[in-house]
Amino acid sequence: GAGVSQSPRYKVAKRGQDVALRCDPISGHVSLFWYQQALGQGPEFLTYFQNEAQLDKSGLPSDRFFAERPEGSVSTLKIQRTQQEDSAVYLCASSLRGPSYNEQFFGPGTRLTVL
Amino acid sequence: QQQVKQSPQSLIVQKGGISIINCAYENTAFDYFPWYQQFPGKGPALLIAIRPDVSEKKEGRFTISFNKSAKQFSLHIMDSQPGDSATYFCAASTWANNLFFGTGTRLTVIP
Repeated sequence: GAGVSQSPRYKVAKRGQDVALRCDPISGHVSLFWYQQALGQGPEFLTYFQNEAQLDKSGLPSDRFFAERPEGSVSTLKIQRTQQEDSAVYLCASSLRGPSYNEQFFGPGTRLTVL
Repeated sequence: QQQVKQSPQSLIVQKGGISIINCAYENTAFDYFPWYQQFPGKGPALLIAIRPDVSEKKEGRFTISFNKSAKQFSLHIMDSQPGDSATYFCAASTWANNLFFGTGTRLTVIP
């Protein structure tokens, strides 16, 4: 497909478990973003990559959150020792070039539920 | 602190009517203002965007009005259709491209 894909679409974790969420951006897109969307709220920025470089991680809520994009394509968001407040939809977006006014294309998200 | 404030939280409009959603911001460094449309179970999709060098932008039935001095911008949906029923988010960013979203408006268009 031509769009941003994310997997899994749904993830249920027990409190304290580690989870890994995957994002496949649109081929050739340089920039990749992760957002967290709580129920009934707008997406909130977590982190930003330009190619393999993580240029901004100011939105990560704690050191339990870690993101990587080792080859400048696929990205993984890892959450260690999940807590109930981590329950949200995690959205990935990609855009064509580096910092500039480029449209961000969003994936469908991964809905994480922590019990 | 919410960087972009959006209202109303929900909106019900008759088919053929005009839907209006308003947003306000404080950070004068923002210079890109997109609107996103989100359907249940889907990611947000860009609808229309504006930069502060113009006061209005129109694409089909969708219009953004921008008031730089008041730091406000709004989305107008003309001739609203049931297929427009979705959640709409305003957003703002600087050149660095990190988007700050409003809290969303759930629009319902009644046939």
